[in-house]
Amino acid sequence: DAKTTQPPSMDCAEGRAANLPCNHSTISGNEYVYWYRQIHSQGPQYIIHGLKNNETNEMASLIITEDRKSSTLILPHATLRDTAVYYCIVRVFGSSNTGKLIFGQGTTLQVKP
Amino acid sequence: EAGVTQFPSHSVIEKGQTVTLRCDPISGHDNLYWYRRVMGKEIKFLLHFVKESKQDESGMPNNRFLAERTGGTYSTLKVQPAELEDSGVYFCASSRGPGGNSPLHFGNGTRLTVT
Repeated sequence: DAKTTQPPSMDCAEGRAANLPCNHSTISGNEYVYWYRQIHSQGPQYIIHGLKNNETNEMASLIITEDRKSSTLILPHATLRDTAVYYCIVRVFGSSNTGKLIFGQGTTLQVKP
Repeated sequence: EAGVTQFPSHSVIEKGQTVTLRCDPISGHDNLYWYRRVMGKEIKFLLHFVKESKQDESGMPNNRFLAERTGGTYSTLKVQPAELEDSGVYFCASSRGPGGNSPLHFGNGTRLTVT
């Protein structure tokens, strides 16, 4: 089962920042938070990941709370092409050290003109 | 660098037939994963290779599914015989390492329709 909780849907105005929340209250100390998105029928696209510190790349910023129980993905200037399903995933390492991703339902972000 | 490529992009077969899906990971990525999404459901993990070895097969639905990765390069996923409930999109992903700091990169998937 997914270890994260996300709102099912959100709207954002084009050009504004999109802030997508995620709860992961059962996260363990060595588990990373990953964000992916899926646009239409394409494969999931990697966005960003982090462990404890806030992270930023050319696509987005990831803010992780100090207790690591929640995080927020920030798209600083949303465009219509950012309309997609966004997945917040805690990467789990079991006895096999697979490091597989367990997808939940995600948040459908609709960017509106 | 070239991304993860999957072939074919679409496949339509009849129930009882066999289909083989192929995945070419990013060059140098030892870890290869298969996932699938069936209609209306979440994306589900199928299995994980490290080079040519199966590290985790816990997501494989039944013995009609066979995954191979000979030589540790490309991988194939064979469904034999196909059933109606196998319809969906099959994704392949690869990563340089299995560690938490090594992202998975996905292909665009193979859409399988079993009629």
